[in-house]
Amino acid sequence: DTAVSQTPKYLVTQMGNDKSIKCEQNLGHDTMYWYKQDSKKFLKIMFSYNNKELIINETVPNRFSPKSPDKAHLNLHINSLELGDSAVYFCASSQGGTGVLDTQYFGPGTRLTVL
Amino acid sequence: AQKVTQAQTEISVVEKEDVTLDCVYETRDTTYYLFWYKQPPSGELVFLIRRNSFDEQNEISGRYSWNFQKSTSSFNFTITASQVVDSAVYFCALSEEEGAQKLVFGQGTRLTINP
Repeated sequence: DTAVSQTPKYLVTQMGNDKSIKCEQNLGHDTMYWYKQDSKKFLKIMFSYNNKELIINETVPNRFSPKSPDKAHLNLHINSLELGDSAVYFCASSQGGTGVLDTQYFGPGTRLTVL
Repeated sequence: AQKVTQAQTEISVVEKEDVTLDCVYETRDTTYYLFWYKQPPSGELVFLIRRNSFDEQNEISGRYSWNFQKSTSSFNFTITASQVVDSAVYFCALSEEEGAQKLVFGQGTRLTINP
């Protein structure tokens, strides 16, 4: 009964490739997020979606494109991967919409390594 | 702009010692939430506690306690009688009402409990 799940857990790929990370939540939450954790453990928001609508886009390169087919899923597609994209990517979800503060629950993370 | 500072990069103590992790935040908003998350060596982010800006009551949960002081913009976390299983990176985070629910994280404190 995993609450927030991500696939794959590990992703190793070559520079220039295109890859996707999938996220699903079964909590019935309205808002989903992507965060990036760099090699120094620093966590930063990338995107958030509320009920399939993009709410936050934090100066992320255009090579990153989130897609939310429904409110339980938020996928992250990355084009033309670069060495600097190597990081752990976390998906999260929370109840409520814009302006409603709530707890965010995180998935297990996807460790992306670009060679 | 919102900011969270965890000045202690690493802390190492011997089992059964008490340890306090500091967190100082900056915000212009009057309505906000503060959080602590734990990231054990396995890598997932585990939610520990949430406090809203209108509730300065200290909280205790087993060996964990939290001290929220708006006067000093601090939200410190104390572990009493530490155990080896408490070894992890701990993150303090802030979410503002005007911030579309995004979490702004501190740099994290790596806590090592030695047997």
